[in-house]
Amino acid sequence: QKEVEQNSGPLSVPEGAIASLNCTYSDRGSQSFFWYRQYSGKSPELIMSIYSNGDKEDGRFTAQLNKASQYVSLLIRDSQPSDSATYLCAVNRAGNNRLAFGKGNQVVVIP
Amino acid sequence: DTAVSQTPKYLVTQMGNDKSIKCEQNLGHDTMYWYKQDSKKFLKIMFSYNNKELIINETVPNRFSPKSPDKAHLNLHINSLELGDSAVYFCASSQDLLAGRYEQYFGPGTRLTVT
Repeated sequence: QKEVEQNSGPLSVPEGAIASLNCTYSDRGSQSFFWYRQYSGKSPELIMSIYSNGDKEDGRFTAQLNKASQYVSLLIRDSQPSDSATYLCAVNRAGNNRLAFGKGNQVVVIP
Repeated sequence: DTAVSQTPKYLVTQMGNDKSIKCEQNLGHDTMYWYKQDSKKFLKIMFSYNNKELIINETVPNRFSPKSPDKAHLNLHINSLELGDSAVYFCASSQDLLAGRYEQYFGPGTRLTVT
């Protein structure tokens, strides 16, 4: 079982719609959860971090964490063409700075 | 100001050569990392240093040798380059674990092509 799984294929959403991305993780000891955005040919950029169960909102982004079910999700509201990128889920254990990354989900926002 | 910088941005070299990549961060972070992103875009940790001490050393060929002269710098030296070493190498940094914040910030990457 992979440490972090992002199974959905490329996600195409119309401009203005909500993009929803899911991520599951295998280590129950995981304490820190992150979403990175990576444009083609660029480096990963941290867009959200979440540490406790529930929702965390930042602008058009909302991260949702459910430790009991071992999943973390990212919602992008009012999707814009500039949101077209690959989104990487990353997880680590408390006191351990080793991040495990998922393989990423590509999002394409169609004008 | 660039937070995490890497040089060079592109590196094209032949098999068997030895090359180095350099990384510097001006964020005041204590921990630095090297990641490899292969052609399938999977991002994998290679090494991590905390205050010049090696703390993560994943299963990486010993042709790869990291060095951290101080906590703001982390270099990666690769001996006897092979075709399979072609990838993008990212440097990253984060605050000390004791601070309880583990967000990692990435440099722009070095695209290594071995011919």
